[in-house]
Amino acid sequence: EPEVTQTPSHQVTQMGQEVILRCVPISNHLYFYWYRQILGQKVEFLVSFYNNEISEKSEIFDDQFSVERPDGSNFTLKIRSTKLEDSAMYFCASSLAGVYDGQFFGPGTRLTVL
Amino acid sequence: AQKVTQAQTEISVVEKEDVTLDCVYETRDTTYYLFWYKQPPSGELVFLIRRNSFDEQNEISGRYSWNFQKSTSSFNFTITASQVVDSAVYFCALSEADTGTASKLTFGTGTRLQVTL
Repeated sequence: EPEVTQTPSHQVTQMGQEVILRCVPISNHLYFYWYRQILGQKVEFLVSFYNNEISEKSEIFDDQFSVERPDGSNFTLKIRSTKLEDSAMYFCASSLAGVYDGQFFGPGTRLTVL
Repeated sequence: AQKVTQAQTEISVVEKEDVTLDCVYETRDTTYYLFWYKQPPSGELVFLIRRNSFDEQNEISGRYSWNFQKSTSSFNFTITASQVVDSAVYFCALSEADTGTASKLTFGTGTRLQVTL
């Protein structure tokens, strides 16, 4: 069964460093999302991406964040200068038909900022 | 703005008991979708069900069943004859169609279900 994959599973970085989280969505899906979950809290939306552009972003997704689909398979989230409060689990999700379909999540990348 | 409330923070049951997880939502849209996801201790989010706002028919899938009631803005999830493997955090989520096809999911705070022997 096709699934969303994410690398790395765990990333440790120093405050102020740049990180890139990688995702490979399900191959025929057209809609892509990033969410984050601070430990023990609810899952929060960051950004949605469709047709090679951002569809919607949350207040969390400020200028420090960016997304890219550099080729036909990868979908990346970059945090330019990490802060302690960026420590969280980051989930990538993809969907075939957006709101008319379910979103399928990857296993997540745990980001720890020291 | 949309909102999802899961008032039950944690529920503990003994195996084989039935358990219902509550979900109440708020939205101004007439077309919306409701979801349940399971997050086991391993951390991944597992899609369980999606229901659109025009379909109030209850659904049963094995030991799982869902009760959607628009009149009370609720989408409750029942596990029949619970098993230890059902232990997880369960999230209810809402997606509004009027905001566009790439509409985000808004999650509730989750209910932690602990099933013991």
